[in-house]
Amino acid sequence: EAGVTQSPTHLIKTRGQQATLRCSPISGHTSVYWYQQALGLGLQFLLWYDEGEERNRGNFPPRFSGRQFPNYSSELNVNALELEDSALYLCASNDLGDYGYTFGSGTRLTVV
Amino acid sequence: AQSVTQPDIHITVSEGASLELRCNYSYGATPYLFWYVQSPGQGLQLLLKYFSGDTLVQGIKGFEAEFKRSQSSFNLRKPSVHWSDAAEYFCAVGARSRGYQKVTFGIGTKLQVIP
Repeated sequence: EAGVTQSPTHLIKTRGQQATLRCSPISGHTSVYWYQQALGLGLQFLLWYDEGEERNRGNFPPRFSGRQFPNYSSELNVNALELEDSALYLCASNDLGDYGYTFGSGTRLTVV
Repeated sequence: AQSVTQPDIHITVSEGASLELRCNYSYGATPYLFWYVQSPGQGLQLLLKYFSGDTLVQGIKGFEAEFKRSQSSFNLRKPSVHWSDAAEYFCAVGARSRGYQKVTFGIGTKLQVIP
């Protein structure tokens, strides 16, 4: 069974540009979670999608957004990139009745 | 609101020595507790989890953790550390809130293993 897959592995963008990160959950999982892991800040919850709807978001500005597609894959968009957006972005999935997540390997976003 | 404290940011142990990583949580009801491990540049891998029942939980890679309600702790242990255990370890607490699961992670403990 394939795990959670994220693409791209690395992404370098210039300040002010937009970044798009992608995540495919484990087959059968309907929920996708996005976390930001910036240096020294631990894992910060960004967004939760389930059944195509945004269910909750963390304390991040509106320029962090995303969506979930009918096949449950998800996209995270970060607009007007700032230097402090440089981080590892982790996607996780589970089935809503489960506890705990399965994580992908992450996308390393570098803003220069 | 739930929270997790990992008091040790960095720990160094010798290969073959025993290991205990500390985790304290705050949550009003019975929590769901997890330990994850992250190798450099990688995602998080679930080591073990506690929902209910036996308070001593066995996980992968020879790790175990003990839930102690009286101390609000969920410490991770391994009797003999291998060099490949060098990584960052995250304790997490999960709870149901308004019909969804919320998982809060600790800041992490970075483990260094010396020969």
